Amino acid sequence: DAGVTQSPTHLIKTRGQQVTLRCSPKSGHDTVSWYQQALGQGPQFIFQYYEEEERQRGNFPDRFSGHQFPNYSSELNVNALLLGDSALYLCASSLSLTQGGSPLHFGNGTRLTVT
Amino acid sequence: AQSVSQHNHHVILSEAASLELGCNYSYGGTVNLFWYVQYPGQHLQLLLKYFSGDPLVKGIKGFEAEFIKSKFSFNLRKPSVQWSDTAEYFCAVMDSGAGSYQLTFGKGTKLSVIP
Repeated sequence: DAGVTQSPTHLIKTRGQQVTLRCSPKSGHDTVSWYQQALGQGPQFIFQYYEEEERQRGNFPDRFSGHQFPNYSSELNVNALLLGDSALYLCASSLSLTQGGSPLHFGNGTRLTVT
Repeated sequence: AQSVSQHNHHVILSEAASLELGCNYSYGGTVNLFWYVQYPGQHLQLLLKYFSGDPLVKGIKGFEAEFIKSKFSFNLRKPSVQWSDTAEYFCAVMDSGAGSYQLTFGKGTKLSVIP
């Protein structure tokens, strides 16, 4: 059991469409980070949410946006999908009180395919 | 920007062989260092971490890693691998300064252990 749950597990979309991915953090965690893992690559940081606000953002365009809800769950939205957005999207949760040293707990990911 | 290099893309070993996976990072400041493992069909899991203190850190399942600051390295070792160690291993680094929440990953090393 990952503790962090993501839905859906797989998704197929067409170029230009929009997609929403969902994440529930591990119980007791208040911070959610999103990562994109392309085939053969390590995960790349998209952004992190804490207290319902984006706290830090990686090198991703504005087409990538997110939200965190009062129960700490989170959504990742991607607009105007491109073929290059095809990847495994990972959600990771952690505890803010131990920032910097708080290990991330990852979910199993959502496999997005853009055709 | 930080970068992490993992020297080997795919390592194949026989059971009982010794393992060393290389990891180098580019950031010159104070960092927190991690090794994550992804077993087939499972989520990323923390193997071990280094924040400060003794540069030789021990993790789960008999793994250890040594932080050598002068070489910007954090190599992973295990004296005797088992078939169950077959997995993909990711080295990751985080700037331990205030305001930094991004984990930068290497591309990963796939380890195949032959019985």
